[in-house]
Amino acid sequence: GAGVSQSPRYKVAKRGQDVALRCDPISGHVSLFWYQQALGQGPEFLTYFQNEAQLDKSGLPSDRFFAERPEGSVSTLKIQRTQQEDSAVYLCASNNRGHGQPQHFGDGTRLSIL
Amino acid sequence: GQQLNQSPQSMFIQEGEDVSMNCTSSSIFNTWLWYKQEPGEGPVLLIALYKAGELTSNGRLTAQFGITRKDSFLNISASIPSDVGIYFCAGQNYGGSQGNLIFGKGTKLSVKP
Repeated sequence: GAGVSQSPRYKVAKRGQDVALRCDPISGHVSLFWYQQALGQGPEFLTYFQNEAQLDKSGLPSDRFFAERPEGSVSTLKIQRTQQEDSAVYLCASNNRGHGQPQHFGDGTRLSIL
Repeated sequence: GQQLNQSPQSMFIQEGEDVSMNCTSSSIFNTWLWYKQEPGEGPVLLIALYKAGELTSNGRLTAQFGITRKDSFLNISASIPSDVGIYFCAGQNYGGSQGNLIFGKGTKLSVKP
């Protein structure tokens, strides 16, 4: 399909391991967002890219979280030295440039830290 | 992080009933959006509102952008079993590097056939 694609869909890691989550946005979408959704909560903003530039990373909870989008399309969210509180669904969204363009979400990666 | 006040938290209704849920914020937004999320899936956009006072419909769904720009409501008329899911409101502002969504905690809707 032509939607936002995220992989893997599920990831189980032991505490202390590093993980990498991938997002393929809708082709041509300039903006890309990462959100974290804890169980029973709404998504919370992590970081935002416009093309390859990371314009806002104010939502990243610690310096263990790192995101990149080197060629302005695919993005990777990396979490180093994972902790149990990192367990959540990580959602990626993309949209076109311009006010009022709706964000389209992927189905997320469910991360479980043991 | 900041989250909007969304109510009710959950609703159990009979098929055919109308549903109303709302969202409030302490700060103003330029845009209000309503999303629906089903288990194992990402949020899907239902309605987007861009002007204070705007009333917009999408089939059986109707949403309004409050005049104060600090609130919004969503109504679902004549509910059906496939309306089951979690409904989220989200506020959005623009300017500079803004554009990220601020979400409510969701309203979980259950519909009895």
